[in-house]
Amino acid sequence: DGGITQSPKYLFRKEGQNVTLSCEQNLNHDAMYWYRQDPGQGLRLIYYSQIVNDFQKGDIAEGYSVSREKKESFPLTVTSAQKNPTAFYLCASSIWRDNEQFFGPGTRLTVL
Amino acid sequence: AQTVTQSQPEMSVQEAETVTLSCTYDTSESDYYLFWYKQPPSRQMILVIRQEAYKQQNATENRFSVNFQKAAKSFSLKISDSQLGDAAMYFCAYRSAEGFYFQGGSEKLVFGKGTKLTVNP
Repeated sequence: DGGITQSPKYLFRKEGQNVTLSCEQNLNHDAMYWYRQDPGQGLRLIYYSQIVNDFQKGDIAEGYSVSREKKESFPLTVTSAQKNPTAFYLCASSIWRDNEQFFGPGTRLTVL
Repeated sequence: AQTVTQSQPEMSVQEAETVTLSCTYDTSESDYYLFWYKQPPSRQMILVIRQEAYKQQNATENRFSVNFQKAAKSFSLKISDSQLGDAAMYFCAYRSAEGFYFQGGSEKLVFGKGTKLTVNP
């Protein structure tokens, strides 16, 4: 089955530690995105990538980093510089020039 | 920058009744796309319906339809014959058409803060 997978579903981190969230898609989509969701805030774009080895900052990129070495994969690293990392993180993908973004099931990150 | 506003944090409807969720947006662009996404308790985002700004005809998908008023920058979602499974957070989203013209243009979605819909049996 084609789709987007995110792992892990729940992640706990101690303050000061970097952590990497996984996002993989087998839809052969060109573009991939990372969103952050906080209660009452909707979704906000962190980073996006339209092609391999290229990515762009979104609205709230500070404290995050990404890589796009393969078309299928777009991991997000939450660094210790991110002041308030506890949130729900959603990965999405789309075909360039297509309307619809398909979302993964999300990862809940909690900083202890 | 574009903004999307959902003025109703919470709405409720009786099963089998009709409910309308409101969304307004602000943009200086003439070509764009609008979406309604549903997020049930599982938190999986699901596309409900989409509207191209250049189309005057309102989009419909089974029990879901929109009222798109371009001049007023309004994009409301009507759910007819509400079902218990419709209970969810609903997000309105905006996307510029710029990314369709050249790679490197913006393809990002701008979301509203959501409306929590409760369906009462």
